[in-house]
Amino acid sequence: GAVVSQHPSWVICKSGTSVKIECRSLDFQATTMFWYRQFPKQSLMLMATSNEGSKATYEQGVEKDKFLINHASLTLSTLTVTSAHPEDSSFYICSAVSGDISYEQYFGPGTRLTVT
Amino acid sequence: AQSVTQPDIHITVSEGASLELRCNYSYGATPYLFWYVQSPGQGLQLLLKYFSGDTLVQGIKGFEAEFKRSQSSFNLRKPSVHWSDAAEYFCAVGAGNQFYFGTGTSLTVIP
Repeated sequence: GAVVSQHPSWVICKSGTSVKIECRSLDFQATTMFWYRQFPKQSLMLMATSNEGSKATYEQGVEKDKFLINHASLTLSTLTVTSAHPEDSSFYICSAVSGDISYEQYFGPGTRLTVT
Repeated sequence: AQSVTQPDIHITVSEGASLELRCNYSYGATPYLFWYVQSPGQGLQLLLKYFSGDTLVQGIKGFEAEFKRSQSSFNLRKPSVHWSDAAEYFCAVGAGNQFYFGTGTSLTVIP
């Protein structure tokens, strides 16, 4: 149980275009989802916390107008990278929280974004 | 401020040898503690977690970790490493509605 999927697993886009990444909890309802960014050989950096039905909470330094997060249902959160630039190229990972133990996160397999 | 430290950036062990990955945290109370493993290009897989109770925790793939309050540590161990254990390992701490990751330890296994 507690499976989280991400789609797409990898995407290549041109500078200036927008890309949407989906994060789904397949077998549980997730009231909270998290979005992370990971650079090569580095740890995960929390970008934002997404709660179903409310606005996402962004970490300091993360541009909310560039990284649009929508948590429309208890099983789906989306991250849209708007007007993408090469420096946005990265590995994006989502996680979802199941149940009342808010720290027990289940991670998706990640999405590799390359902006050319 | 809360923090998670993994002192070893990279470790190399021989297949069949024992392994210990270190993790130290800084937090006023006992946090929730986790170890995750990440294979290249993949997401994170939970190896084990500690919330309370027995301080020696058994996880998947033959891993275990021991919580030592006096040392603020949660070191990961495996008695005999397999080549498939080569990956990146992250210690994480949940505390005060926040979740913190360590910087990771890269494990190389040599035959």
